[in-house]
Amino acid sequence: AQSVTQLDSHVSVSEGTPVLLRCNYSSSYSPSLFWYVQHPNKGLQLLLKYTSAATLVKGINGFEAEFKKSETSFHLTKPSAHMSDAAEYFCVVSVFSGGYNKLIFGAGTRLAVHP
Amino acid sequence: DAGVIQSPRHEVTEMGQEVTLRCKPISGHDYLFWYRQTMMRGLELLIYFNNNVPIDDSGMPEDRFSAKMPNASFSTLKIQPSEPRDSAVYFCASSLDRAGGLKYNEQFFGPGTRLTVL
Repeated sequence: AQSVTQLDSHVSVSEGTPVLLRCNYSSSYSPSLFWYVQHPNKGLQLLLKYTSAATLVKGINGFEAEFKKSETSFHLTKPSAHMSDAAEYFCVVSVFSGGYNKLIFGAGTRLAVHP
Repeated sequence: DAGVIQSPRHEVTEMGQEVTLRCKPISGHDYLFWYRQTMMRGLELLIYFNNNVPIDDSGMPEDRFSAKMPNASFSTLKIQPSEPRDSAVYFCASSLDRAGGLKYNEQFFGPGTRLTVL
């Protein structure tokens, strides 16, 4: 069955240091993968998506993710954290089930950024 | 565009009462989704519509939950009767099928309705 596992429930970094949020996926075919961000009391917003075009995907706000098929990973990175990056991040895989595609969300990683 | 609009933003009700959550998708979008978010279970898809027709309702927890989409610009999620375990944040999202169906297309989320059932 298709699924995603976010390896860290909480990540804490200092402002200006790199961010790494880890995600592993399980899929029986070529997946589509997404990262969404949720700021407090807000809806989810798409950061970036992988749809088999390029393995390194650039998103908004300086985030990027690399699809590594051999490692079944899709980790999210940013070179330098900003206070405004504090939020919850969801790794998502698109699965084909019952004749239709739908999104399966990971459990989320809460990112804290300290001054 | 105003984005996906949900109302109310907060709802507090007593057990046994009927609750109706409302959603207006982005104009022109042909998919609409209802999700529920809880600490215990994370974000779960409840049901989604394509061109106003329910496609997959396998995530609806039980018969107390029902969803309708009478037209392209409005959908409701109803819980009757409500129970304390229904307390959660309910999100509505919409998407446009440009190509490849749901596999590739971004979903745009509303701000959510925080439901508390006492």
